[in-house]
Amino acid sequence: DIQLTQSPSFLSASVGDRVTVTCRASQGIRSYLTWYQQQPGKAPKLLIYAASTLQGGVPSRFSGSGSGTEFTLTISSLQAEDFATYYCQQVNSYPWTFGQGTKVEIK
Amino acid sequence: QVQLQESGPGLVKPSQTLSLTCTVSGGSITSGGYSWSWIRQPPGQGLEWIGFIYYSGNTYYNPALKSRVTMSLDTSRNQFSMRLSSVTAADTAVYYCARVWFGELSPYLDYWGQGTLVTVSS
Repeated sequence: DIQLTQSPSFLSASVGDRVTVTCRASQGIRSYLTWYQQQPGKAPKLLIYAASTLQGGVPSRFSGSGSGTEFTLTISSLQAEDFATYYCQQVNSYPWTFGQGTKVEIK
Repeated sequence: QVQLQESGPGLVKPSQTLSLTCTVSGGSITSGGYSWSWIRQPPGQGLEWIGFIYYSGNTYYNPALKSRVTMSLDTSRNQFSMRLSSVTAADTAVYYCARVWFGELSPYLDYWGQGTLVTVSS
């Protein structure tokens, strides 16, 4: 199975900060990387697919980049509603796997 | 707007079979290009992909669970279901159903149910 390692696992930031989360794959996954946001007690929400394509309705402050084994999710100016846990998922090969999550909390 | 809703018992005894159903509204489960997936999340932990069933009825299961999982479609009710046999406490989790879109660039899970907590305990 392809393992995804997110860093950091926990991040403390303030409203307005630029935030970057990294996801590293144990082997190359081309651009088959998806990002989700999960608020407490809620289902995950699709943010970005194919490493860098923003899902419709997702604010433009979210962006994704990378290919191969290293990927990043960037929030250009953190808003109050962005405090959540973020997961990456690879869909390059079966079984699809998720990273362990990055929790973004208020500083 | 597509909506998904999980249903099933919240408590299952060890060694028994966990059965969940996902009811889809706002779209047909037989629409081409989609498959229907299950994902679970143990309390306080990360996400685990269980598998999916294509609109055609073909399935793909996570090998870690393959020997215990069965997924099916009920097209008359626009529902899909999952059965997980021989459950243990390790199967305690919030179970989500979701739609998979196999887009040109990449597949992704675009619509999710709210999730249902299943506890395995005697």
